[in-house]
Amino acid sequence: GAVVSQHPSRVICKSGTSVKIECRSLDFQATTMFWYRQFPKKSLMLMATSNEGSKATYEQGVEKDKFLINHASLTLSTLTVTSAHPEDSSFYICSARDRAGESDNEQFFGPGTRLTVL
Amino acid sequence: AQSVSQHNHHVILSEAASLELGCNYSYGGTVNLFWYVQYPGQHLQLLLKYFSGDPLVKGIKGFEAEFIKSKFSFNLRKPSVQWSDTAEYFCAAVPWGGNKLVFGAGTILRVKS
Repeated sequence: GAVVSQHPSRVICKSGTSVKIECRSLDFQATTMFWYRQFPKKSLMLMATSNEGSKATYEQGVEKDKFLINHASLTLSTLTVTSAHPEDSSFYICSARDRAGESDNEQFFGPGTRLTVL
Repeated sequence: AQSVSQHNHHVILSEAASLELGCNYSYGGTVNLFWYVQYPGQHLQLLLKYFSGDPLVKGIKGFEAEFIKSKFSFNLRKPSVQWSDTAEYFCAAVPWGGNKLVFGAGTILRVKS
């Protein structure tokens, strides 16, 4: 089946630093990738939709200058949390849609990245 | 706003009990519906999905869900749960032609052995 990886799985950083999270589709091409944030005991909140070769589309309330998204290739999207603060601590999950099956809205999810900002 | 509601936040069952998790969505038009499962320490996995056709959808691991358009519902069922079904279950929807999944709040299922 379609596999999506994320790196790193866990990261701890100091307040004010930037952190980059990678999302890769390992065995398929993904024109569209999605970034979610999952709060404790809550559901996944869509942050942005990442389209290969174009600017990401951010959801209302998500700061595009704080959460930089780059989708440089059909298999890689990156999320950079800039000037991280403790309130950015969360579980970040990416997903990808298989380019070959885009009429099918199924998304394949990565394992997530636990970010802790001290 | 379009939304997905899951009525049960925590469910505790004994092994061999039957399971039904409720899910309702608020979209008015054609919709694609999904159930995802997240086992402890693992990533989200697709259990089953509905796009069109037979409203009774069968998924992996003995799960099934029924799409009832008149009730805007897509409840998940399993006749006999196992300890290994302990996980968090998410219902999700996306309107036809769209690409954004909207998730319900999730239901944590604990199966006692």
